[in-house]
Amino acid sequence: NAGVTQTPKFRILKIGQSMTLQCTQDMNHNYMYWYRQDPGMGLKLIYYSVGAGITDKGEVPNGYNVSRSTTEDFPLRLELAAPSQTSVYFCASSYGKSTSGKNEQFFGPGTRLTVL
Amino acid sequence: AQSVTQLDSHVSVSEGTPVLLRCNYSSSYSPSLFWYVQHPNKGLQLLLKYTSAATLVKGINGFEAEFKKSETSFHLTKPSAHMSDAAEYFCVVSESGSARQLTFGSGTQLTVLP
Repeated sequence: NAGVTQTPKFRILKIGQSMTLQCTQDMNHNYMYWYRQDPGMGLKLIYYSVGAGITDKGEVPNGYNVSRSTTEDFPLRLELAAPSQTSVYFCASSYGKSTSGKNEQFFGPGTRLTVL
Repeated sequence: AQSVTQLDSHVSVSEGTPVLLRCNYSSSYSPSLFWYVQHPNKGLQLLLKYTSAATLVKGINGFEAEFKKSETSFHLTKPSAHMSDAAEYFCVVSESGSARQLTFGSGTQLTVLP
């Protein structure tokens, strides 16, 4: 299994440009998540999904959109890039709800995004 | 609301000496607690987790953590540091029943000196 894969690994955007960060998992996990990690900070949840067709906002959703048309894929869309969105973005997945502690989250390697 | 505080942003130890990474949490309900490790330019990997079973939890690579409810702490320890342990470590809390998933601490950078 490849686990959780993310593309691209690095990207530089100009202010106002748009892009989609791709995330795919091959573990047949129901739950998927997008986090951002700013320097010296922990991860903050942007959006999450509990299954195909179902998404919900996390702690910092403004400026982002997601979709979940399949179990495997959970792309994150930035419509009008802003310098405040410069960050490292991590996608994760789990079989079920992690709050029970019975299902760990598996993380992708991250996408490093810079907005200039 | 839940929160987690990692008391040290940086910890340096010599190879072969003990490691202690400190974590305090706040939770209104029975929490689940995790430690994740992040090596440079890599994703996060689960080290260990506490889910209201045994209070002393053993994880991978010789790490363990003890849940102390009276102190609201979940410190991570290892008897003898190895060079490969150099990484960033995150303490994470999750409240039972929470729909908002995990809350991450700000991380502790562990440096292992030869």
